[in-house]
Amino acid sequence: QQQVKQSPQSLIVQKGGIPIINCAYENTAFDYFPWYQQFPGKGPALLIAIRPDVSEKKEGRFTISFNKSAKQFSLHIMDSQPGDSATYFCAASKGGLRDYKLSFGAGTTVTVRA
Amino acid sequence: EPEVTQTPSHQVTQMGQEVILRCVPISNHLYFYWYRQILGQKVEFLVSFYNNEISEKSEIFDDQFSVERPDGSNFTLKIRSTKLEDSAMYFCASSEGRFTDTQYFGPGTRLTVL
Repeated sequence: QQQVKQSPQSLIVQKGGIPIINCAYENTAFDYFPWYQQFPGKGPALLIAIRPDVSEKKEGRFTISFNKSAKQFSLHIMDSQPGDSATYFCAASKGGLRDYKLSFGAGTTVTVRA
Repeated sequence: EPEVTQTPSHQVTQMGQEVILRCVPISNHLYFYWYRQILGQKVEFLVSFYNNEISEKSEIFDDQFSVERPDGSNFTLKIRSTKLEDSAMYFCASSEGRFTDTQYFGPGTRLTVL
């Protein structure tokens, strides 16, 4: 069962463009939605995260939009730079008593051309 | 800044051999995780560990896998008899506490089974 679906698989934008990555989830028990950035040969690094009680969160040039009724959330990278070229993963987890297993999307490879 | 470390960075082994992947989580963290990422695919949860026992494990984490926290700093993943399909990047992650969701990932160990 694919709990988090992510699209597109890859995208290319020019410097200054706004890549948008979309994710959809199935499990309504999910209550934490992080985005991870991964550079080749490195581990995923937390970029930004949101909970369902807000519809938007901004941190620097990164914005998450969240639509609880549609069970969808997206990442926007404003004024994208070549250094933003990486693979981005959305993820979701449900709060429990003891741990927060992350379910990841398939990843989106973003290329920002100078 | 504290970080999760993993050793070795690359492990090559023959099919049927045992391997131990090592991780040093961030020192004040209480929750530990192993994930794996087959080349070009998404990150998949393997197991979570808290208070010296497994909290949750995925269907991937069968009897060939085990985890251990042998001392106050290390967290290990053992694969008893490796298969070709175990070839992947293995990531260790840790999080601070019960109500803190952020998981910090290590750089990974690339396991190649020949």
